[in-house]
Amino acid sequence: DAGVTQTPRHEVAEKGQTIILKCEPVSGHNDLFWYRQTKIQGLELLSYFRSKSLMEDGGAFKDRFKAEMLNSSFSTLKIQPTEPKDSAVYLCASVGGGQNTLYFGAGTRLSVL
Amino acid sequence: AQSVTQPDARVTVSEGASLQLRCKYSYFGTPYLFWYVQYPRQGLQLLLKYYPGDPVVQGVNGFEAEFSKSNSSFHLRKASVHWSDWAVYFCAVTRTGGYKVVFGSGTRLLVSP
Repeated sequence: DAGVTQTPRHEVAEKGQTIILKCEPVSGHNDLFWYRQTKIQGLELLSYFRSKSLMEDGGAFKDRFKAEMLNSSFSTLKIQPTEPKDSAVYLCASVGGGQNTLYFGAGTRLSVL
Repeated sequence: AQSVTQPDARVTVSEGASLQLRCKYSYFGTPYLFWYVQYPRQGLQLLLKYYPGDPVVQGVNGFEAEFSKSNSSFHLRKASVHWSDWAVYFCAVTRTGGYKVVFGSGTRLLVSP
């Protein structure tokens, strides 16, 4: 079975650009999460979808971060406009089958210059 | 509010020696507890999870953890560390049917020859 797939693995953007990160959850999983990971802040929840409905949009990340779940097998995270402080690893995870276990993708490493 | 504390940012262990990584949680109600591992340039992977029951849970690759309600702890142990265990370890907590997983800040394990 395919795990969680994230593309691209690396992204370099200039300040002010718009970038879109992509995620394909494990097939059949209903819950999808976007996290941001930095050394200082650790893992921060950006958004949470249950059955394609947005359940949480990450509070402080609302203004420039927008996650969407276009169908049950594909999600995007748009950052617009990017700022250097957005440089981080963005992780996507999914949960399904009545379990609490998160299945993570390998992440997208974003560098904003 | 629920929280997870991993007091050691970095732990160095000699190969073949035993290991304990500490985790303290603060949670109202019955917690579900997890240890995840993150190898370099990868997403997080589940090592083991605790659901109410036997306080000692076994995980992959010889890892185990012990839940203590009185100490609010969920420490991770391994009898003999291998160089391939070099990674960052995250403790996490959630509740039954809950989606909000709270992660600790992580402990980086370094293995010396």
